[in-house]
Amino acid sequence: GENVEQHPSTLSVQEGDSAVIKCTYSDSASNYFPWYKQELGKRPQLIIDIRSNVGEKKDQRIAVTLNKTAKHFSLHITETQPEDSAVYFCVLSKGSNYKLTFGKGTLLTVNP
Amino acid sequence: DAGVTQSPTHLIKTRGQQVTLRCSPKSGHDTVSWYQQALGQGPQFIFQYYEEEERQRGNFPDRFSGHQFPNYSSELNVNALLLGDSALYLCASSLAGMNQETQYFGPGTRLLVL
Repeated sequence: GENVEQHPSTLSVQEGDSAVIKCTYSDSASNYFPWYKQELGKRPQLIIDIRSNVGEKKDQRIAVTLNKTAKHFSLHITETQPEDSAVYFCVLSKGSNYKLTFGKGTLLTVNP
Repeated sequence: DAGVTQSPTHLIKTRGQQVTLRCSPKSGHDTVSWYQQALGQGPQFIFQYYEEEERQRGNFPDRFSGHQFPNYSSELNVNALLLGDSALYLCASSLAGMNQETQYFGPGTRLLVL
């Protein structure tokens, strides 16, 4: 079945630095890879997604890369700001399987 | 444009009781999924409703059941509550068809079972 491993579990950076979160998966049929940001006590918020026919996608300071051969995908945040502090989840789904499978999350702390 | 809404925001129950949680999808969406998020964990898929039927189910016991109404809103029912059912219950909505995997979450209902 679907499984996704996420690293690191915690990440602390200085404001202005870059942050990278990496995820690996096992099921090659996975074809949709969204990333969600969840602030403390708030709902998970979709911040960017990528589909298996695309290798990279960028939205302002956020980018996601996908390597289908190696079965891993990554989130890159540049010029981090304190408001980027949150838990970030990598997620996947496949084909007609409508459920989202979440990683365990990365607690990102951006220090001013 | 109304986002996904859930009620109640918080709930306290005792073991053995039953609970009903409610969700209204984002305007224009027709599909509702439910997730359970234990403290410090990622959300776990419970089930998804489309056209008033359960379309897919995760690894949850039959104590967890649901319903979808003609206006696309949905309920999650949990019977015979256990202490381990304490969690944040999230509802997510999406639109069937192209990009149906794109799901938007509600604020959740925090359930505490004593």
